[in-house]
Amino acid sequence: GDSVTQMEGPVTLSEEAFLTINCTYTATGYPSLFWYVQYPGEGLQLLLKATKADDKGSNKGFEATYRKETTSFHLEKGSVQVSDSAVYFCALRRPTGNQFYFGTGTSLTVIP
Amino acid sequence: DAGITQSPRHKVTETGTPVTLRCHQTENHRYMYWYRQDPGHGLRLIHYSYGVKDTDKGEVSDGYSVSRSKTEDFLLTLESATSSQTSVYFCAISEVRPDTQYFGPGTRLTVL
Repeated sequence: GDSVTQMEGPVTLSEEAFLTINCTYTATGYPSLFWYVQYPGEGLQLLLKATKADDKGSNKGFEATYRKETTSFHLEKGSVQVSDSAVYFCALRRPTGNQFYFGTGTSLTVIP
Repeated sequence: DAGITQSPRHKVTETGTPVTLRCHQTENHRYMYWYRQDPGHGLRLIHYSYGVKDTDKGEVSDGYSVSRSKTEDFLLTLESATSSQTSVYFCAISEVRPDTQYFGPGTRLTVL
C-alpha cells in the first residue's frame, strides 16, 4: 500500500546550520507530495508541496524537490532559526483517491 | 487560515463512556477527515467524508463512528471509550478535488 517513511528524530541543530529531513515514499503512479509543519500546541500547517516529478516546492526558506527516480522528497533549509523548531511531516496523496498518507513526523529543535 | 474549529479542545472522560467530538468548517469544502496523532505513529486516518452522508473508513476505524448530516459539520463518536483511545484528534478539510488539506487546532482526549 501507499506509505511515507521519514528519518527518525529528534533532530537538534544550532542556529544557522543546514537542515535536511529525509522522506521517501511508496505509491503507485505519480502522487502529490507535501511537507507539513506542526508548532507546539497547534494543528498542522502546509509548508510546501509538489505535484509532479522534478517540481520544487518552496516556502519560508524551505525547499523540497520531487524525485521520481529515487521516490524521495527531502526537506532542506540552508540556515535554520530558533523559530523553525517544530515537528515536520511528509505526506502524499495518490493521483486517484481521496486519502492522504503521513509519515511519523520528525521533531526539530534549533538551539541559539 | 481555513475556518476550521474543533470542540471540545480538551476532554477527560472515563472508560466505557460515549464521547462525541465535533469538527465545524466555514469553507464549504467537500472532504472532511478525522485523524489521531500518537507518538511514534504520526497521523493516522480514522474516517473521512466525501459529502453529506457519504463516509468511509480509514486505517484505524475500529471503535469509532462518524456522521455528516451537513456540509459544515463532521462528528466523531467513540461509542465506548477505552484508554487506548487517549490521543490528540485532528480534523482536516480539503476541496472538491483534494489537493491540500487544512487542519483544525486539535482535541486532546484523555480516557481514564
